[in-house]
Amino acid sequence: AQSVTQLGSHVSVSEGALVLLRCNYSSSVPPYLFWYVQYPNQGLQLLLKYTTGATLVKGINGFEAEFKKSETSFHLTKPSAHMSDAAEYFCAVSGYAGGTSYGKLTFGQGTILTVHP
Amino acid sequence: SQTIHQWPATLVQPVGSPLSLECTVEGTSNPNLYWYRQAAGRGLQLLFYSVGIGQISSEVPQNLSASRPQDRQFILSSKKLLLSDSGFYLCAWSRSGSTGELFFGEGSRLTVL
Repeated sequence: AQSVTQLGSHVSVSEGALVLLRCNYSSSVPPYLFWYVQYPNQGLQLLLKYTTGATLVKGINGFEAEFKKSETSFHLTKPSAHMSDAAEYFCAVSGYAGGTSYGKLTFGQGTILTVHP
Repeated sequence: SQTIHQWPATLVQPVGSPLSLECTVEGTSNPNLYWYRQAAGRGLQLLFYSVGIGQISSEVPQNLSASRPQDRQFILSSKKLLLSDSGFYLCAWSRSGSTGELFFGEGSRLTVL
């Protein structure tokens, strides 16, 4: 069984400030981890993903996330926020389930990021 | 390249009326297909998923049903809509045997009055 907890349903930052969105997961198998972004009235778009290998993952729009197994975390960061980063962000986890099967994604509840000028 | 389309984008329906939302994927074969719903403040709820034609798994009991008449077509239906069916519906697909990464459609906003 897998679960995802996103700490903070709303995060507010000033333009140019550091963005930090927190995600902790629980998984009984080695996890695959994802961050998605959703703009109002649109579908979800993949920001970045961790499957295996390097634990620091870089994604689109200047975002990156670090997989920390000991902390069961996959926090999303961006050094300098831009107004266009305002959106809802979802963390998700899946994992190898045997044979050619991989588990369905389990999503966190989402974090709404507000960027102030 | 692969694309996913769903329609209609916006729908306003009276209580008790039927529903049909359609989703198609292009550029891939034998995808896994999914229907999610987003209600205000409730995150993403997986409604149905399908690993092949005619194979539908329901995640939660509800007033909705899904069908997969063709490999790359996924339809969400209801015979009689309830107020609680209002929400933002998202279709998604993933590659069989992949890491589970999902590719989402543009979404359909359903308002039941």
